[in-house]
Amino acid sequence: NAGVTQTPKFQVLKTGQSMTLQCAQDMNHEYMSWYRQDPGMGLRLIHYSVGAGITDQGEVPNGYNVSRSTTEDFPLRLLSAAPSQTSVYFCASSYFPRGTNYGYTFGSGTRLTVV
Amino acid sequence: GDSVTQMEGPVTLSEEAFLTINCTYTATGYPSLFWYVQYPGEGLQLLLKATKADDKGSNKGFEATYRKETTSFHLEKGSVQVSDSAVYFCALSLGSSNTGKLIFGQGTTLQVKP
Repeated sequence: NAGVTQTPKFQVLKTGQSMTLQCAQDMNHEYMSWYRQDPGMGLRLIHYSVGAGITDQGEVPNGYNVSRSTTEDFPLRLLSAAPSQTSVYFCASSYFPRGTNYGYTFGSGTRLTVV
Repeated sequence: GDSVTQMEGPVTLSEEAFLTINCTYTATGYPSLFWYVQYPGEGLQLLLKATKADDKGSNKGFEATYRKETTSFHLEKGSVQVSDSAVYFCALSLGSSNTGKLIFGQGTTLQVKP
């Protein structure tokens, strides 16, 4: 089925470890983004991309890196994990043909715990 | 800056009660507005959307009308079911004119009791 695939679904890291959260979409969407979800704070934008080779920071980018070498993939890297990065991470994609906004497709999420 | 404000939860209702979840927004342009739903342990699903003023989005008995004059997009349902228990997020997007960013409210938890 077409959609956004995130891996892994669950991960436990020790403080200081690094890891990459994977996100892939097969809908040829230009726009991709990463959000983190914390209780009482909704979803906050970490990084986003408007196309292959183009990325930019969102609201809470510190401690995270991204790259977009292909249209399909948008991995999120944690450089040195900290307990404050314990959260649920969602990847989303979208496109805007002729300016129309059809909405965003979300992955199922990665639940990350940093101990 | 652009923002979305939702009523605080949790909202607790009995089955078949009427539901309203308030959502207001601030935006510099002409946003599209969305309601997303998150069932326990799952990701976000698009519930409904409206792309211009006075549009009404509807799905699964839920409705919301884009009110530009009051900058609101309140979610309503005439008769809730236990299966509607979830977290509901209001969100706005300025689409390709603002790099495709989707801005969320803080979410409202709905609990429906039998």
